[in-house]
Amino acid sequence: EPEVTQTPSHQVTQMGQEVILRCVPISNHLYFYWYRQILGQKVEFLVSFYNNEISEKSEIFDDQFSVERPDGSNFTLKIRSTKLEDSAMYFCASSEQTATDTQYFGPGTRLTVL
Amino acid sequence: AQKVTQAQTEISVVEKEDVTLDCVYETRDTTYYLFWYKQPPSGELVFLIRRNSFDEQNEISGRYSWNFQKSTSSFNFTITASQVVDSAVYFCALSPFGRTYKYIFGTGTRLKVLA
Repeated sequence: EPEVTQTPSHQVTQMGQEVILRCVPISNHLYFYWYRQILGQKVEFLVSFYNNEISEKSEIFDDQFSVERPDGSNFTLKIRSTKLEDSAMYFCASSEQTATDTQYFGPGTRLTVL
Repeated sequence: AQKVTQAQTEISVVEKEDVTLDCVYETRDTTYYLFWYKQPPSGELVFLIRRNSFDEQNEISGRYSWNFQKSTSSFNFTITASQVVDSAVYFCALSPFGRTYKYIFGTGTRLKVLA
């Protein structure tokens, strides 16, 4: 069964460093998303991406964040200068043909900022 | 305002007991989708079910059943004859139709099934 994959599973970085989280959405999906979950809290929407542009973003998704689809398979989230409060699990998701199709989530990348 | 409330933070049951996880949502949209996801200890989010606001039929899938009541804005999830493998955090989520792509998650209910 097709699934969303994410790498790395765990990333440790120093405050102020740039990180890139990678995702490979399900191959025929057109909509891509990033969410984050601070430990023990709820899952929060960051950004959605369609047709090579951001379709929606939350207040969390400030200028420190950016997303890109550098090729036909990868979808990346970049955090330019990490802060301690960026420590969280980051989930990538994709949905098929329309924004109302079910979003399928990847296994997550745990980001730890020291 | 769009909001999902899962008032039960943690529930513990003994194996084979039935358990119901509550979800109450708020939205002004007339068309929306509701979801349940399971987050096992390994951390991934596993899709369980999706309902649209026009379909109030209850659904059963094996030991899982869902009760959608628009009148009370609730979408509750029942596990019958719970098993240790059901131990996880369960999230209810809301997605308004068309206006936004995002899912609005509740805070989750941690279910512990004891052997």
